[in-house]
Amino acid sequence: GAVVSQHPSRVICKSGTSVKIECRSLDFQATTMFWYRQFPKQSLMLMATSNEGSKATYEQGVEKDKFLINHASLTLSTLTVTSAHPEDSSFYICSARERGVPRSGANVLTFGAGSRLTVL
Amino acid sequence: ILNVEQSPQSLHVQEGDSTNFTCSFPSSNFYALHWYRWETAKSPEALFVMTLNGDEKKKGRISATLNTKEGYSYLYIKGSQPEDSATYLCAFQNQGGKLIFGQGTELSVKP
Repeated sequence: GAVVSQHPSRVICKSGTSVKIECRSLDFQATTMFWYRQFPKQSLMLMATSNEGSKATYEQGVEKDKFLINHASLTLSTLTVTSAHPEDSSFYICSARERGVPRSGANVLTFGAGSRLTVL
Repeated sequence: ILNVEQSPQSLHVQEGDSTNFTCSFPSSNFYALHWYRWETAKSPEALFVMTLNGDEKKKGRISATLNTKEGYSYLYIKGSQPEDSATYLCAFQNQGGKLIFGQGTELSVKP
């Protein structure tokens, strides 16, 4: 079945540094990738939608200059948390929609395993 | 703001017990309802996608029903096993394709 590999699974960084999280679709091409954030005891919140070769669409309240998303190829999307601060500490997870699947369809997403970011 | 609510938040059952939990969602702008199973340190795994009012889906001991008119879905697990321990997420998909997730129900099955 479809697999999305997400790395790193855990990262600890100092305040002010930037952290990059990668999501790769291993056995399929992903035209669209979604990035979510989850705070403790809360639901997955969509941060942004990225389409291969175009700019990401950010949800209301998500700073695009803070959370840089790049989807340069059909198998790789990256999320960079720039100048991270302790309040950015969270669980970040990506999901992918396979190429050819209609955007409006009731299609199943393939998720990565998530990345736990801790900013000291 | 659209709310997707799941209850209970957590559930502890004995092996062999049958259990069910609820997902409630807005009844307007509905397109689909998704259920995912999420084990710790793993990727959420898709269980069901339902689109029509009255839909019922089954996968082994797990089944789900959908009522779009009143805005709820039930997930049932028959004869729970320890390997069923996971967080079960539901997600409401609107007409625009966006998924809105509930907080999940954390199920723990004791041997």
